[in-house]
Order: sequence, then C-alpha cells, then structure tokens
Amino acid sequence: AQTVTQSQPEMSVQEAETVTLSCTYDTSENNYYLFWYKQPPSRQMILVIRQEAYKQQNATENRFSVNFQKAAKSFSLKISDSQLGDTAMYFCAFMKKTGNTPLVFGKGTRLSVIA
Amino acid sequence: GAVVSQHPSWVICKSGTSVKIECRSLDFQATTMFWYRQFPKQSLMLMATSNEGSKATYEQGVEKDKFLINHASLTLSTLTVTSAHPEDSSFYICSARGDLTYEQYFGPGTRLTVT
Repeated sequence: AQTVTQSQPEMSVQEAETVTLSCTYDTSENNYYLFWYKQPPSRQMILVIRQEAYKQQNATENRFSVNFQKAAKSFSLKISDSQLGDTAMYFCAFMKKTGNTPLVFGKGTRLSVIA
Repeated sequence: GAVVSQHPSWVICKSGTSVKIECRSLDFQATTMFWYRQFPKQSLMLMATSNEGSKATYEQGVEKDKFLINHASLTLSTLTVTSAHPEDSSFYICSARGDLTYEQYFGPGTRLTVT
C-alpha cells in the first residue's frame, strides 16, 4: 500500500516571501503521478501542480514549483512570492498510473500567509 | 477544466432519516467517481470507488449498507446516508474521472449535519 506523509501540520510565511512544503511517500510502484492540491476556506479542492514520475524535469506552474526526488521519494512544493490568497490547506497526493485507482492523500499542511 | 457539481451544498437532517447527495459531471462522462469524507482540519478519507453500471467498491471500515452509492449513468453518482446519526455529520466530497484520463475533478462538497 502507498502512504503519503506531510510532516508539517502548520506553516506560516510573510507575504511576498518563499515557502516550501514537504511531502514524502512510500511505494513500490514505478509508474505513478504526484499532485499538490490546495483547499481554501471554501473547501473546494483545487489542483495546484502535478508531476509524472517518469519525467525527471520538475513541474512548474507560475509561482508554484516542485522538487521531485524520485530515489528519495520526496515531492516538495515551493511557493514563490506568497500571496494572501495562498492561505489554505495543502495536500500532497499519490496515484498509481495503472488501473482505476484513487488518490492517496497526506494529512495536509495548513499554510497561513501573513501580511 | 472539467466541472463537477454536488447537490445539496449543505443539508440538515434528523437522526434516523436518510439523505441523498448527488454528484454530477457537467461536461464530461465520468466512468469512475470517488466519494470522500472529511472531518474538520483533517484530510480526505476515501469511502468508496464507483464505476458506471457496477457496484461500488467500499474501503475497509465503511458500512456499505449505511452509505449506499449508485452510479447509474456516466454523469451522475449518488451517495445516500441511511438512518443517519449525529456521528455521520461531516463534509462529503465527490470526484470524477473520465475514461482515458488520470485527472480527478472535485465537486464543491456537501456539508451534512445530523441533529
């Protein structure tokens, strides 16, 4: 079974600064996807960024980027130029590429951006 | 991106009654839908996976007779909480995935309060 660990229950960052959220996972699979989801106070789940395991290049989406270390099974999220609207719960998630499998979520990190 | 709706967005019911939550994919055919439950300040917990036209697969510890899931069409899945108890009060989220795609699209969630 796959597990996803987010070791930082809460973090805070000053507006315009950079913050990194940690995520590690455990799997014996070789083909999989990794995701970061944002859940703001509205509780709507929003996809922030995705990474395919076979791609060595780290994914980036505007101010969001990941540091994917496949051998270490690490998948951290870096948020640059933090904005007040980034305040939310962030969930790291894993999904096998084969079969009709669900997402496996970490416990989440609550990020507060401070003005 | 694709849109998934849930109805109702919130519902209050009395103990012992049943309540139905609908999850609809509005602009794509959802071959698979997932139902999650989320307690305050916690992560999403997968309850069941449903494929169109077949019985849902429930996660360990989830009572299939209490949480009835029906996925009768490619755009609609329903979760019925039967004989509701106050401990069933929670936030229920559905997600949907189309055929030949790995991405899941989340509904906005339904807040259930059982009095």
